[in-house]
Amino acid sequence: DAGVTQSPTHLIKTRGQQVTLRCSPKSGHDTVSWYQQALGQGPQFIFQYYEEEERQRGNFPDRFSGHQFPNYSSELNVNALWLGDSALYLCASSLRAKNIQYFGAGTRLSVL
Amino acid sequence: AQKITQTQPGMFVQEKEAVTLDCTYDTSDPSYGLFWYKQPSSGEMIFLIYQGSYDQQNATEGRYSLNFQKARKSANLVISASQLGDSAMYFCAMRGSRSGGSNYKLTFGKGTLLTVNP
Repeated sequence: DAGVTQSPTHLIKTRGQQVTLRCSPKSGHDTVSWYQQALGQGPQFIFQYYEEEERQRGNFPDRFSGHQFPNYSSELNVNALWLGDSALYLCASSLRAKNIQYFGAGTRLSVL
Repeated sequence: AQKITQTQPGMFVQEKEAVTLDCTYDTSDPSYGLFWYKQPSSGEMIFLIYQGSYDQQNATEGRYSLNFQKARKSANLVISASQLGDSAMYFCAMRGSRSGGSNYKLTFGKGTLLTVNP
C-alpha cells in the first residue's frame, strides 16, 4: 500500500521564478492538504482540496495556488518566488470522513 | 482560533526509560481532535496517535499513550521504554470540528526535539 508520495524531493529556484510541486495521496484517500514548514517551526496550513475544489485556505497570498485532479493527486504552484518561500512543503492526504492526515516526505524548496 | 503550545524545545531521556512530552491547547470548537506526529531528520511527518475530545479513555498505540486532561486543556504524549530510534522532533496538533468551520485543517505546535541517549 503506497503512502503519500511527493516530487521532487529537493528544488532550487531563484527569486521571481515559479515552481510546481506534486503530490499523490495514499491509496483510498480523496482529500489533499498542503503545509509549509519553515526551518525550526511547525507546519503551517496552506490549503485543502476535495472534489477538485479548494475547500479551505490558510493565511497565504494568492501567489500560492493549487489544483486537484480527478485521480485525487494534487499540485501546489507558487509564483513570483521570494527568499521567504524557502521551506519544506508537506502534502497530507486523508479520507474525507476520517480524522487522520498522513504526510509525505516533503519537498525542500530553496529560493536563492 | 486554535492554538497549540509546546513549552519544551528539547528533552533528553535514557534508553529504556519513559518520557512525557507536554502539549496544551486552546480552542472554542465544541469538539476537536488532538494528534501527535513524529518528524525524523528525513522530514516525513509520521502519525503516532489520535485523541478525540469526546473519547472517554486515553488513546494508546503500542509504546505511545496520550494523557488527555480536558479540563486542563492538555494532551501530553508518553513514550514508554524509549529507543534510540525515537530521537526526532515531536509535534502536537489539533483539528477543529466541521461546524466550527475548521474542517480538516491541522494546527501545529512548534515541536519538541527528543534525544534518546544510550
